[in-house]
Amino acid sequence: AQSVTQLGSHVSVSEGALVLLRCNYSSSVPPYLFWYVQYPNQGLQLLLKYTTGATLVKGINGFEAEFKKSETSFHLTKPSAHMSDAAEYFCAVSHYTNAGKSTFGDGTTLTVKP
Amino acid sequence: EAGVAQSPRYKIIEKRQSVAFWCNPISGHATLYWYQQILGQGPKLLIQFQNNGVVDDSQLPKDRFSAERLKGVDSTLKIQPAKLEDSAVYLCASSFTGTSSDEQFFGPGTRLTVL
Repeated sequence: AQSVTQLGSHVSVSEGALVLLRCNYSSSVPPYLFWYVQYPNQGLQLLLKYTTGATLVKGINGFEAEFKKSETSFHLTKPSAHMSDAAEYFCAVSHYTNAGKSTFGDGTTLTVKP
Repeated sequence: EAGVAQSPRYKIIEKRQSVAFWCNPISGHATLYWYQQILGQGPKLLIQFQNNGVVDDSQLPKDRFSAERLKGVDSTLKIQPAKLEDSAVYLCASSFTGTSSDEQFFGPGTRLTVL
């Protein structure tokens, strides 16, 4: 079984401030981890993913995430928020035994204040 | 490269009516997914196709929902009869191989309102 918990359904930051969106996962085997972003009235778009190898993963738009096995976490960060980062962010988990099936968290809505 | 296409974008129906959604995945993508996204929640997988075969439909309410993927390309998801709790956004996604490390590409979704 696999599951994802995103801590904080809403996060608000000022423009230029650090963005930190939290994701904890549960998986009985080594996980694959994803962050997707969803802008209003659009589908989800991949920001970054971790499969194997380097635990610090860089994605698009200046985002990065670090896989920490000991903490079962995959938190998403960005050093300096832009107004255009306002969106909903979803963490997802999968693993090699489940034939492409991903489980998504309930999402975190990021608001960026000017 | 064209993205995942879905239609209609919005649909409003009365309860007990039927409705159908259409999805055209990215060309060459073998795997197609239908998700239900209820307001305030993450996408929940309804059904997964690999080419024109079903890989997983364990979360599909089969008494009212059905889906098909003819010729391993386009797909249709149908609800008959609809209930109030079916109000949600229905997302279609596709991936090239369907392996667990593969990125999924999502369409814009169909927002269904059941009155």
